Amino acid sequence: GIQVEQSPPDLILQEGANSTLRCNFSDSVNNLQWFHQNPWGQLINLFYIPSGTKQNGRLSATTVATERYSLLYISSSQTTDSGVYFCAVGTSGTYKYIFGTGTRLKVLA
Amino acid sequence: NAGVTQTPKFRVLKTGQSMTLLCAQDMNHEYMYWYRQDPGMGLRLIHYSVGEGTTAKGEVPDGYNVSRLKKQNFLLGLESAAPSQTSVYFCASSRPGGGLTYEQYFGPGTRLTVT
Repeated sequence: GIQVEQSPPDLILQEGANSTLRCNFSDSVNNLQWFHQNPWGQLINLFYIPSGTKQNGRLSATTVATERYSLLYISSSQTTDSGVYFCAVGTSGTYKYIFGTGTRLKVLA
Repeated sequence: NAGVTQTPKFRVLKTGQSMTLLCAQDMNHEYMYWYRQDPGMGLRLIHYSVGEGTTAKGEVPDGYNVSRLKKQNFLLGLESAAPSQTSVYFCASSRPGGGLTYEQYFGPGTRLTVT
């Protein structure tokens, strides 16, 4: 089955810094989502982005499907950005998503 | 519009007991999913459903059963709970009728401890 790898596994930033999180996948995908799991365990949708680029405030994401990776950019990070960021992918012909193991982000005040 | 809701939020079971987790969505979504998340790990798919009356196995289906008798509800059953089933369980739904995207929306989770 498809493999999903996220990097880095852990990241510590000072408030105001920028960061890039990466998601690599081993096969062609038709669906890709980025989620933020906050410290209370809630999963928050960030982007549905099987291809192309999207922006939402300080966050943006780019998926290059032909090269099998997606990037999540966080600019001017805030302490509320802390938590775990997951990438999840789905392949053609299935209705299932496979999750990566996540990037754990801690933003220090 | 409540989105995806899960009942209960917390539960403690003894080994061998049974229970049912309820997931409900009010977004008219066709697809529904049950995942488990173990400490420090990503989510793994247990079972899923692509429509009322249909279910299918995911990555880790053993020890669980599901039913989707109504479009808006997806039930996850544990017939004989084991300590290895201690986890946080998340329900998700996607694909509004006629929709072209499969964006998933998650419920708040159920924390289950089996002693």
